[in-house]
Amino acid sequence: NAGVTQTPKFQVLKTGQSMTLQCAQDMNHEYMSWYRQDPGMGLRLIHYSVGAGITDQGEVPNGYNVSRSTTEDFPLRLLSAAPSQTSVYFCASRYRRGGGYTFGSGTRLTVV
Amino acid sequence: ELKVEQNPLFLSMQEGKNYTIYCNYSTTSDRLYWYRQDPGKSLESLFVLLSNGAVKQEGRLMASLDTKARLSTLHITAAVHDLSATYFCAVETYNTDKLIFGTGTRLQVFP
Repeated sequence: NAGVTQTPKFQVLKTGQSMTLQCAQDMNHEYMSWYRQDPGMGLRLIHYSVGAGITDQGEVPNGYNVSRSTTEDFPLRLLSAAPSQTSVYFCASRYRRGGGYTFGSGTRLTVV
Repeated sequence: ELKVEQNPLFLSMQEGKNYTIYCNYSTTSDRLYWYRQDPGKSLESLFVLLSNGAVKQEGRLMASLDTKARLSTLHITAAVHDLSATYFCAVETYNTDKLIFGTGTRLQVFP
């Protein structure tokens, strides 16, 4: 099992550019979430999904889009990158409600 | 809106000492999680607490949940350097599937 795989690990974007952060899991987990981590602010929930075709907003959804066309994949799209989106992004998945999340290794994104 | 607060935010403690990290949350929930993060690394699941009065122990760490007080504690017994890390609690909202994290407690254990 590869677990939760995030790509890329590092990315530098210019303001206004768009990109997609990839997240894939091979554990047949229904629940997947995206978090961003900024110094002193813990992890903040961006979007989450409880199954293929079902997504919902978290605490800080503005500027990000998600889709869940398959159980395995949960990509996060930045529509027009801004310096405020400089952060470390973590994708996580779990089998069901009440289960612990397994986290990916993270994507460090810098927007200049 | 669910708020999750941890204290202290930073904890420097001597090896061999005991201490407790507190996690308070603002709305009804009976599902609380503890995670550990080493510098520059991802998060590792430590404990899952799913009912009032739940207590879980692993090595020198023990976590408990009091849903009536909306409080969870992570107790460290006889700290060792290997426990140095940032510890997060996270609370699942009662009627949604959102998992909301606290700001974390950075623990440093020195000789």
